[in-house]
Amino acid sequence: EAQVTQNPRYLITVTGKKLTVTCSQNMNHEYMSWYRQDPGLGLRQIYYSMNVEVTDKGDVPEGYKVSRKEKRNFPLILESPSPNQTSLYFCASSPREGLLIGQYFGPGTRLTVT
Amino acid sequence: GQNIDQPTEMTATEGAIVQINCTYQTSGFNGLFWYQQHAGEAPTFLSYNVLDGLEEKGRFSSFLSRSKGYSYLLLKELQMKDSASYLCAVSANDYKLSFGAGTTVTVRA
Repeated sequence: EAQVTQNPRYLITVTGKKLTVTCSQNMNHEYMSWYRQDPGLGLRQIYYSMNVEVTDKGDVPEGYKVSRKEKRNFPLILESPSPNQTSLYFCASSPREGLLIGQYFGPGTRLTVT
Repeated sequence: GQNIDQPTEMTATEGAIVQINCTYQTSGFNGLFWYQQHAGEAPTFLSYNVLDGLEEKGRFSSFLSRSKGYSYLLLKELQMKDSASYLCAVSANDYKLSFGAGTTVTVRA
């Protein structure tokens, strides 16, 4: 089954404790992206990647890091989480030219930073 | 990012038609997307417009006017399961994707 998976689905952590949210897709897609979703603000893009070893900043990259060492994986790293990073995070992927057909989203990771 | 505006909420009756408007300002344009998101779930792709005009897909249609920076999503023959948030998104030349805050549509019996 074609899918985007994220782990963990729920995470409660404390300020400053480094964490990684994993994202994996099995569709051989070139394009992968991370978003955060907050009430009243909608989805905001954090980082995106057009292919292996190619990453670019989205609209809200501060406080986040990503890497794309393999085509299928695109982890999101929070080196020193802060409470303002409490949010719902989505990973997504699509074929590079198939931004035309929209992205496939993972199920989401709800992160709480206390 | 891009400046994308859409109404916050809309309510309509089962069987009716609802039109969700989206206006945008962007530096470069690579396409406009509509997504549907049910509460507690991930967004799912509905439609894509890159040229001016109407794209029809069953009960859903999407329109684009690039010169006006305007799009709408038309939902016909509304069903209760159409109650959801509808997200307008614009892709700029650099393949960034910016979303509006979403329009919550409530369908009443």
